[in-house]
Amino acid sequence: DAKTTQPPSMDCAEGRAANLPCNHSTISGNEYVYWYRQIHSQGPQYIIHGLKNNETNEMASLIITEDRKSSTLILPHATLRDTAVYYCIVRPRNQAGTALIFGKGTTLSVSS
Amino acid sequence: DSGVTQTPKHLITATGQRVTLRCSPRSGDLSVYWYQQSLDQGLQFLIQYYNGEERAKGNILERFSAQQFPDLHSELNLSSLELGDSALYFCASSGALRGDEQFFGPGTRLTVL
Repeated sequence: DAKTTQPPSMDCAEGRAANLPCNHSTISGNEYVYWYRQIHSQGPQYIIHGLKNNETNEMASLIITEDRKSSTLILPHATLRDTAVYYCIVRPRNQAGTALIFGKGTTLSVSS
Repeated sequence: DSGVTQTPKHLITATGQRVTLRCSPRSGDLSVYWYQQSLDQGLQFLIQYYNGEERAKGNILERFSAQQFPDLHSELNLSSLELGDSALYFCASSGALRGDEQFFGPGTRLTVL
């Protein structure tokens, strides 16, 4: 079972920031928080990951609470192309990689 | 474009048949993963190979098998197909030098009639 809890759906106006929450209260010390998204039936797309510090890349920002029990993915200026299912996943990192265990995710609908 | 390729894009077959799905990982990636996405089960991890060796198994049926070849491409074999095997099958790859973020292919849509 997925170790995360996300709201099933969210709406956002185009051009506004989309803030997607995720609860992971049972996260272990060696587990990272990852975000992926899936646009329609395309392959899932990696967005960002973090351990305990806030992270930012060209796609999004990730804010992790100090106790690491929850996080928020921020899309600063959502566009229609950001409409997708967003998955928050916690997992350890290692050189060989580990499987992604997907939950139901959050369906983000961006409208004009 | 993730750099991961999958063939074929679509596959239609009958119950009881056997099919092979193919995946070519990103250049240099040693790990290959297979996932199944059906309407009622969501995205599920099936199996992982790392540098030719099976590394982890998920909810993979005994009728399904996979392998990773010396050139690192992978094949997923599905046999004795049932209607419930109709799904999207995704391959992903990751590489140690890039971190372990997984990059997914476009998927193979399997329809069993």
